[in-house]
Amino acid sequence: TQTVSQSDAHVTVFEGDSVELRCNYSYGGSIYLSWYIQHHGHGLQFLLKYYSGNPVVQGVNGFEAEFSKSDSSFHLRKASVHWSDSAVYFCAVSMNSNNRIFFGDGTQLVVKP
Amino acid sequence: NSKVIQTPRYLVKGQGQKAKMRCIPEKGHPVVFWYQQNKNNEFKFLINFQNQEVLQQIDMTEKRFSAECPSNSPCSLEIQSSEAGDSALYLCASSLYRGERLFFGHGTKLSVL
Repeated sequence: TQTVSQSDAHVTVFEGDSVELRCNYSYGGSIYLSWYIQHHGHGLQFLLKYYSGNPVVQGVNGFEAEFSKSDSSFHLRKASVHWSDSAVYFCAVSMNSNNRIFFGDGTQLVVKP
Repeated sequence: NSKVIQTPRYLVKGQGQKAKMRCIPEKGHPVVFWYQQNKNNEFKFLINFQNQEVLQQIDMTEKRFSAECPSNSPCSLEIQSSEAGDSALYLCASSLYRGERLFFGHGTKLSVL
């Protein structure tokens, strides 16, 4: 059973464009939702997370994500991308009752100048 | 910047050889994860620890994988007899407590020839 899915394997935009990277999860209980970024050849870096409260969470470098229980989604957005945002973005889900963290398959974001 | 230190950065082994990699988690982080990331960016959870105790691990039925996090020493992941399919990026991550954000090392890229 796929716990977290990222429907877009690749997204290409131009510098200054807005972007939304999609993430959907399948779990009915309490969960932590996170986004991480991975530049080529490096480990992942944390961007933001949601557990409860305001469904729109702000992260580093102008990223934000919105939790939707009805859609089982946690999409990542940025209003104006920079070429340095080119990387692979991973959505992650951690169930409250389970110590494991499940990652999606990632979305490769390419920002063209 | 993450202070999770993974060594070596690159590891090249022949089939059947032992492969050992190490991880020093961020200071004060008792929870440590090991993940295998393949060339398609897919993550495979391997094992996690809290202090020296194993919390969860996959069914390593082949028994080729072993890991430990001894007190006052780096954590380690060892493959007893490497296979070509083990070629991947092995990521170590630590966190302050269960379910909290992960801090990743740069990974050890294992190539099994």
